[in-house]
Amino acid sequence: EVQLVQSGAEVKKPGESLKISCKASGYSFTSYWIGWVRQMPGKGLEWMGIIYPGDSDTRYSPSFQGQVTISADKSISTAYLQWGSLKASDTAMYYCARSGDSTSCYFDYWGQGTLVTVSS
Amino acid sequence: DIQMTQSPSTLSASVGDRVTITCRASQSFISWLAWYQQKPGEAPKLLIYDASSLESGVPSRFSGSGSGTEFTLTISSLQPDDFATYYCQQYNGYSKLTFGGGTKVEIK
Repeated sequence: EVQLVQSGAEVKKPGESLKISCKASGYSFTSYWIGWVRQMPGKGLEWMGIIYPGDSDTRYSPSFQGQVTISADKSISTAYLQWGSLKASDTAMYYCARSGDSTSCYFDYWGQGTLVTVSS
Repeated sequence: DIQMTQSPSTLSASVGDRVTITCRASQSFISWLAWYQQKPGEAPKLLIYDASSLESGVPSRFSGSGSGTEFTLTISSLQPDDFATYYCQQYNGYSKLTFGGGTKVEIK
């Protein structure tokens, strides 16, 4: 059974750093893209970026380029999303999701989401 | 980048109604389009991919169509479990994924 299990909710202060995780199981981690999607409170879905764990090929939405870093550790089948300096506007739910196959980036399995709250 | 515009943003309908949601792209592309359903407090769920392919386990009352710049999601007979928000997503290239703004389907 394919599963993506994300790390727990975080409460941080502006300026702090953060790394959240997405642990995959039930499939070959290195053969599918993993994407990250932001959902701000009461708003729609925003694609942030994707990574192909097989070769660490990483692509970012222009809106998020330079604002976050996406990485993966294939030895433990885990993808990461990290911030160097959080802002209040980073407060959102963050989802990881697996691509439907190695060539098509629709997302067939999703993590449960990680709620990030940034407040002073 | 390709922009995706969904309409309507809100739709009021009754159980048994036929419902159609439209997604228009700012430029034409091959049918790399998906539809998702999201309920409050839950992660999105894939319904349709490649514009018209039904994801395994999704009821057949959901269907997708379209190509180029206009795509539609149709629910043939709305069920109580279908009241949710629906999003389209284009994936025309690994660096150029975008979601539509969403359509909330409410009870009339």
